[in-house]
Amino acid sequence: AQTVTQSQPEMSVQEAETVTLSCTYDTSESDYYLFWYKQPPSRQMILVIRQEAYKQQNATENRFSVNFQKAAKSFSLKISDSQLGDAAMYFCAYRWDNAGNMLTFGGGTRLMVKP
Amino acid sequence: DVKVTQSSRYLVKRTGEKVFLECVQDMDHENMFWYRQDPGLGLRLIYFSYDVKMKEKGDIPEGYSVSREKKERFSLILESASTNQTSMYLCASSLGAGDETQYFGPGTRLLVL
Repeated sequence: AQTVTQSQPEMSVQEAETVTLSCTYDTSESDYYLFWYKQPPSRQMILVIRQEAYKQQNATENRFSVNFQKAAKSFSLKISDSQLGDAAMYFCAYRWDNAGNMLTFGGGTRLMVKP
Repeated sequence: DVKVTQSSRYLVKRTGEKVFLECVQDMDHENMFWYRQDPGLGLRLIYFSYDVKMKEKGDIPEGYSVSREKKERFSLILESASTNQTSMYLCASSLGAGDETQYFGPGTRLLVL
């Protein structure tokens, strides 16, 4: 069974600084997708960024980028120029290519942003 | 924009009650999902549906059932609520056909006394 591990229950970052959230996963599959979702306090979960395992290039979305290390089964999220609105729970998720859209989530990392 | 709505934000029920949680999406998505979210455990899939009247068990289906009579609506049913079902319940939907991005509702925080 696939598992996703986020080893940092809580992280904090100073506004305008850079922070990296860690995620590792366990799978025997070669084709899969990885996601980072953000859940702001009392607000809906939204997709931040996604990565297809067959792509070697790391995905980037504005201030958000990933470091995808397939051999190490690592998928970290880097947030540059952190803003107060980045404070949220962040969930890493994995989907096997033939899993019928079923996602496996990590336990989450609570990110606090200090002004 | 995709909109996923859930019938209640907060719900308080007593042990043994039958509980219905409703989810509606407005984007003609094929797939719908029910998760429960608990601190430190992330989101765990209870059930999902890939078509009307079709359902598949997720990781933790025990104590739950689902119903999808119409494409836009997916209901989660707790036949006899228990205190260990106190949790946050999240509904999600995805287009299907290769687009696996899931869109989430605001969640229902259920307290079973």
